[in-house]
Amino acid sequence: SQKIEQNSEALNIQEGKTATLTCNYTNYSPAYLQWYRQDPGRGPVFLLLIRENEKEKRKERLKVTFDTTLKQSLFHITASQPADSATYLCALSALRGGYNKLIFGAGTRLAVHP
Amino acid sequence: EAGVAQSPRYKIIEKRQSVAFWCNPISGHATLYWYQQILGQGPKLLIQFQNNGVVDDSQLPKDRFSAERLKGVDSTLKIQPAKLEDSAVYLCASSSTGTANSPLHFGNGTRLTVT
Repeated sequence: SQKIEQNSEALNIQEGKTATLTCNYTNYSPAYLQWYRQDPGRGPVFLLLIRENEKEKRKERLKVTFDTTLKQSLFHITASQPADSATYLCALSALRGGYNKLIFGAGTRLAVHP
Repeated sequence: EAGVAQSPRYKIIEKRQSVAFWCNPISGHATLYWYQQILGQGPKLLIQFQNNGVVDDSQLPKDRFSAERLKGVDSTLKIQPAKLEDSAVYLCASSSTGTANSPLHFGNGTRLTVT
């Protein structure tokens, strides 16, 4: 069956360090992979999108990699800050009947400590 | 641009009652989505509209859930009758084209508690 797996354990890191979050998937062949941030009581907010033929994408302190052989994406936040504390969701694009369906993982909670 | 608007923010009902949620997407966005997010889980797609037509409702429990998108703009999601397991946050999202490289813009959701 199709699965998207993100670390269910919270990730605790010290301010200034690099946070690395993992997204693994099985039985999908996504053309795109997206990462979202979700704060408590709020809807997810789009961060980055990467195509299957892109190995890496960067935006300010964020970096995403996409390895279609390993079926894995890594999401990095460099020089992390307490304000980066949130849940991070990965989502795969799957085409159904010509339309994009976005399927989400359960998310990983990140806590950045001062 | 104004974001996706949802109402109400919170709703508490008893099981077997009915409830309706409303969503106003970003102006001009063709694709509208309703997701259900149970505590500790990722959002699960319930239904996807392209303009005012349904393109995916494969995970919508159609015996109790219904949704419509009026004139390709606003949308309502209804549950009748509610069950305890429907307690969740209901998120509405929209995207400009619905293509794979079109990000979703989410509202802040309606938190439903069924007692």
